[in-house]
Amino acid sequence: QVQLVQSGAEVKKPGASVKVSCKASGYTFSSYNVHWVRQAPGQRLEWMGRINAGNGNTKYSQKFQDRVTITRDTSASTAYMDLSSLRSEDTAVYYCARQVAGSLFDYWGQGTLVTVSP
Amino acid sequence: QSALTQPASVSGSPGQSITISCSGTSTDVGGYNYVSWYQQHPGKAPKLMIYDVSKRPSGVSNRFSGSKSDNTASLTISGLQAEDEADYYCSSYAGSSTWVFGGGTKLTVL
Repeated sequence: QVQLVQSGAEVKKPGASVKVSCKASGYTFSSYNVHWVRQAPGQRLEWMGRINAGNGNTKYSQKFQDRVTITRDTSASTAYMDLSSLRSEDTAVYYCARQVAGSLFDYWGQGTLVTVSP
Repeated sequence: QSALTQPASVSGSPGQSITISCSGTSTDVGGYNYVSWYQQHPGKAPKLMIYDVSKRPSGVSNRFSGSKSDNTASLTISGLQAEDEADYYCSSYAGSSTWVFGGGTKLTVL
């Protein structure tokens, strides 16, 4: 069965970077896009960017363009989201999601809590 | 990219029907048939309920339906049940490989 399993919670200091992983199983990893979405406490979902797991092509939200890098390792069936220059407002749960086609984002990871605190 | 506009909250009694709106612009909701709806219970990951405006993924109850008119999409839940109480988010393709979410709507089942 399809699964996206994310790495564990992180606590970071302001100015640091964080790298969250999303390991896929149960399907051909390189056949679909993987998106990253975050949700600050009590706030809405926010799209950050996506990677074409096949060719590695990326697209980022303008809001995060300067600070986010999404990569993948096809041999490990894993996508990564790296966010730099962390500030307190980046405290959030970060999700990865598989896009099959169109707006069909059918499987989501369990979420990774990133806490930014001095 | 501005968030799509949803009502902050809606409510209904068991068995009733409710509709949640999602307003955007001609560059997102109105421009593409790529609107989806997610249900999110507290502390859980979003669950896809509707995609491509009105399609239901396998396993989702037919009590959930979606539609779109011009720049506004809608999610209708009929035969409201206690377990439908959750937050609901719309999402739309916004062109140039980008996506945007709505502000979220808290559904209360009275």
